Amino acid sequence: GEEVAQTPKHLVRGEGQKAKLYCAPIKGHSYVFWYQQVLKNEFKFLISFQNENVFDETGMPKERFSAKCLPNSPCSLEIQATKLEDSAVYFCASSLAGGGADGYTFGSGTRLTVV
Amino acid sequence: DAKTTQPTSMDCAEGRAANLPCNHSTISGNEYVYWYRQIHSQGPQYIIHGLKNNETNEMASLIITEDRKSSTLILPHATLRDTAVYYCIVRVMDSSYKLIFGSGTRLLVRP
Repeated sequence: GEEVAQTPKHLVRGEGQKAKLYCAPIKGHSYVFWYQQVLKNEFKFLISFQNENVFDETGMPKERFSAKCLPNSPCSLEIQATKLEDSAVYFCASSLAGGGADGYTFGSGTRLTVV
Repeated sequence: DAKTTQPTSMDCAEGRAANLPCNHSTISGNEYVYWYRQIHSQGPQYIIHGLKNNETNEMASLIITEDRKSSTLILPHATLRDTAVYYCIVRVMDSSYKLIFGSGTRLLVRP
């Protein structure tokens, strides 16, 4: 399809629980990016993939955050032992070719609330 | 990535042109200017991008100064649905590929 599909739209987790978010990029897009937006503030880059390979993970809090993009499956972002500060909207974006001057397409996000 | 500076907020009347400025005085020769917007809490929406020439598409026009240190996004006939936060992003076309968002400009279109 021509949209980036993120599921679920909303996720509520108790502190310490695991959260798993999914992103299906546009078919044919090779690059996937994850961003975190806290309280409508600035977007924080987390990680990017080129197909199933990690491309740039400089934004990932590595202690509790992990991500994968496996062939023929949606990409996933997993947070182990969630904390209150993880409450945010997580956006996924995909791009046909990361190095090309094309615009990235964003999904509608997953709102994670940690209580 | 080069940093950008945008006004925190602006407003314009419905039907009039909205001109959103962006300063990127440290831009380098291989850096593109991208514009995105976020309506409410939706995902950012791509608007337009350019390198050094002015660009126009069905949504907007992008005017880049000759020295490339600033640019203006123009929405020719703003509607209420254009109320959003507009982000000006300068991106290096190197191996990083990621977009670095700033604080953006909150545009309010008045009836």
